[in-house]
Amino acid sequence: QQQVKQSPQSLIVQKGGISIINCAYENTAFDYFPWYQQFPGKGPALLIAIRPDVSEKKEGRFTISFNKSAKQFSLHIMDSQPGDSATYFCAAISGTDKLIFGTGTRLQVFP
Amino acid sequence: GAVVSQHPSRVICKSGTSVKIECRSLDFQATTMFWYRQFPKQSLMLMATSNEGSKATYEQGVEKDKFLINHASLTLSTLTVTSAHPEDSSFYICSAEGGLPSNEQFFGPGTRLTVL
Repeated sequence: QQQVKQSPQSLIVQKGGISIINCAYENTAFDYFPWYQQFPGKGPALLIAIRPDVSEKKEGRFTISFNKSAKQFSLHIMDSQPGDSATYFCAAISGTDKLIFGTGTRLQVFP
Repeated sequence: GAVVSQHPSRVICKSGTSVKIECRSLDFQATTMFWYRQFPKQSLMLMATSNEGSKATYEQGVEKDKFLINHASLTLSTLTVTSAHPEDSSFYICSAEGGLPSNEQFFGPGTRLTVL
């Protein structure tokens, strides 16, 4: 019940296209859902995050869509760029409990 | 704001030696710090949670005598890998919580440990 399932494992997108990464969870107590971007050899960096009281959050080219009833949330990267090539992790946390990470999605954006 | 640093960024040591990794919150006081381990092409695995001035809480399966954690101040936590062996080679990442917004963990750049 503490798992966060993430798909796909890898994603190849052409420059200018839309990258979509999906996550699903079981624990309805989760109340904060961040997405992290990690480049090789670096620590993860917060990209965007959402709380379950909103269905969508947009920051620049990055959008989180949140479906509370389906217990799913997704990251959309619009106008994907080669510089977006990285590994993306969704995560979820309940209150002050520990952060639960998805398994990661390796995104490659080709020019 | 909310910057977390780690030192060293990479370390190579001989089997049997101990290695200390520092994690610092540079511009905020971290009430809680976390240590993660990440194997190639895998997700982050939480090793332990530490609060300033108290003993760390280790996740199941993590040897507390092997991975010593000291949270000496609100801006510094250290992870010491004692008697390191090749299987301890990994990417170690710390994070700190205490800045704004709450719940947010700010991650360090990671430390690549290679044990020969």
